[in-house]
Amino acid sequence: QKEVEQDPGPLSVPEGAIVSLNCTYSNSAFQYFMWYRQYSRKGPELLMYTYSSGNKEDGRFTAQVDKSSKYISLFIRDSQPSDSATYLCAMSEGTGTASKLTFGTGTRLQVTL
Amino acid sequence: SAVISQKPSRDICQRGTSLTIQCQVDSQVTMMFWYRQQPGQSLTLIATANQGSEATYESGFVIDKFPISRPNLTFSTLTVSNMSPEDSSIYLCSVDRGNEQFFGPGTRLTVL
Repeated sequence: QKEVEQDPGPLSVPEGAIVSLNCTYSNSAFQYFMWYRQYSRKGPELLMYTYSSGNKEDGRFTAQVDKSSKYISLFIRDSQPSDSATYLCAMSEGTGTASKLTFGTGTRLQVTL
Repeated sequence: SAVISQKPSRDICQRGTSLTIQCQVDSQVTMMFWYRQQPGQSLTLIATANQGSEATYESGFVIDKFPISRPNLTFSTLTVSNMSPEDSSIYLCSVDRGNEQFFGPGTRLTVL
């Protein structure tokens, strides 16, 4: 079993839809949770960063962490064609020397006009 | 955030040769990381490079195959040695800023 599971998609939604992206994990020591967006032929770009459980909102993006269920989510409101990319969840046990990131495989999102 | 550049952006290499990938950061950082992103697979950490000490390699990766240099606080290189087609991948460096990691644009390597 992988440490981090993520549905690879592809996920296709119409413009304006609410998108829900999810990851599950097995390592209860993970404390830091991140979502990266990766456009084709580009490096991953950090979107959201959350420590421990709870919600965090940034514009159209909301990240949720449920440590009791080992489940994290990223919601995108009012999705735009420019949101079409691969979304990677990542997590780590700590910072500094404990900041090794474990990634999901990524979910490819396509927002259509 | 951090501005990270990588050279080359892409290369096509012959089996048995070696390629050195460079990573440059816009300001000093303690830790730099090298990842591999193979098609359809998650980003996998190869090694962590601290300035002034030997790199720390993850399980499945060895120094003879992926030697790393870290001569100063803004620069690192990763060499992919004695390449085979299985080494075809995107190689990315990243840096740790506070609690966040930022990635370079990646080097797309194809081995024939």
